[in-house]
Amino acid sequence: NAGVTQTPKFQVLKTGQSMTLQCAQDMNHNSMYWYRQDPGMGLRLIYYSASEGTTDKGEVPNGYNVSRLNKREFSLRLESAAPSQTSVYFCASRPRAGNTIYFGEGSWLTVV
Amino acid sequence: ILNVEQSPQSLHVQEGDSTNFTCSFPSSNFYALHWYRWETAKSPEALFVMTLNGDEKKKGRISATLNTKEGYSYLYIKGSQPEDSATYLCAHNAGNNRKLIWGLGTSLAVNP
Repeated sequence: NAGVTQTPKFQVLKTGQSMTLQCAQDMNHNSMYWYRQDPGMGLRLIYYSASEGTTDKGEVPNGYNVSRLNKREFSLRLESAAPSQTSVYFCASRPRAGNTIYFGEGSWLTVV
Repeated sequence: ILNVEQSPQSLHVQEGDSTNFTCSFPSSNFYALHWYRWETAKSPEALFVMTLNGDEKKKGRISATLNTKEGYSYLYIKGSQPEDSATYLCAHNAGNNRKLIWGLGTSLAVNP
C-alpha cells in the first residue's frame, strides 16, 4: 500500500530555475492537494483539485502551477523558483465520501 | 487569515503524565474538525475527524472531544509515552468546501 507518493524528497534549486514536484496516489481518491509548510505558519494550501480535470487556487498560489494529469497524479510546478519558495511541500489526497486527508511524506525544497 | 488557534504552542511532560491541548475554531458554518499527529520527517497522520457537537472519539490512550457551539476541541493523552512526542495539528473544515484551515500545532515532548 503506497498511499500518497511524492518526489523528489529533497531538492536544491537556483533562483530562476524551474522544477516539478510529482505526486501520485493509489487510493482512487477524488480530491488532491498541495500544501506548503513554513516555520511559524500552519499548512497553507497552494492549489487543490476536487476531481480529475479540475484545479483551483488555494491561499498561496502565486508562483506555482498545477496539473491534474489523471485521477492518480497531481503535479506542482515552479516556473521560476524564488528564495521565498524555500519550504516543505506536502501532497495530500481525500476520498469523495470521506473526510480524512492522507499525506505524502513531504518534499524539502531549498532555493538559493 | 488564520482563524484556527491551538494552545499551548509547545509542551514538555514526563513519561506517565496525562496532558491535553486545545483547538479553537469559528463556530459558524461548522462541517468537520480534524486532528492529526505529525512526527518530524514523516507525513501527518490522521487521528480523528469529528463532525457532531458533543462527539467524543478515542484511539488507545488518545481521545478528543468537540464543542461546535462554542468552537473548541480538546485532545487528551493519558499516560504519555516518549513515542507520543510529535506535533499535534488540528484543522477546521467549514461548509464542506473540501478546504481545511490548519492551526499551527502543539509540539509535545515526552521525557523518559
